[in-house]
Amino acid sequence: EDQVTQSPEALRLQEGESSSLNCSYTVSGLRGLFWYRQDPGKGPEFLFTLYSAGEEKEKERLKATLTKKESFLHITAPKPEDSATYLCAVQDRYNFNKFYFGSGTKLNVKP
Amino acid sequence: NAGVTQTPKFQVLKTGQSMTLQCAQDMNHNSMYWYRQDPGMGLRLIYYSASEGTTDKGEVPNGYNVSRLNKREFSLRLESAAPSQTSVYFCASMNRVGGTDTQYFGPGTRLTVL
Repeated sequence: EDQVTQSPEALRLQEGESSSLNCSYTVSGLRGLFWYRQDPGKGPEFLFTLYSAGEEKEKERLKATLTKKESFLHITAPKPEDSATYLCAVQDRYNFNKFYFGSGTKLNVKP
Repeated sequence: NAGVTQTPKFQVLKTGQSMTLQCAQDMNHNSMYWYRQDPGMGLRLIYYSASEGTTDKGEVPNGYNVSRLNKREFSLRLESAAPSQTSVYFCASMNRVGGTDTQYFGPGTRLTVL
């Protein structure tokens, strides 16, 4: 069964304290690995898509990396405005319109 | 561009009532999706439409029907609502540029079935 697991479920950081979020997956075939940010009461906001092991993408304080079995979202020197839930999703290799989501990591950055 | 819009934002139904959730996108995307999000669970795909005139089942289609009215609009219908359908519903669309897919989500509809 295709499965996407995110860890930790929740993470509290001090402003400026760097850390990483993990997204591991067991799927029959992966085309892409997506990262989103979701603020309370809002829809997910697209961040990155990664397609191959070793690929990296960056946006401001966020950097996403991909290996054959997991992806990491590195947050460098976070600010309180980075507080949100971060979701990852696997895009099915055999049907590009099928996505399997993890349950998210809730990040709280304290000033 | 408004992006992906959804109506209504909130809805309360009684068991057995029916309703239609509306979704529209103004980005000329071919693919559109309906997801539900429940506490502690990831987003789950209900139905998707790869292009105008086509629809397919996702992971949790039971109790729902969809209509791809045109390229812009994709609606989700609950024929006889059940308490298990209490959830937050998100519509999304996706485009592909240079081999890279990007998925855009609407603001969601919060549905409570009593």
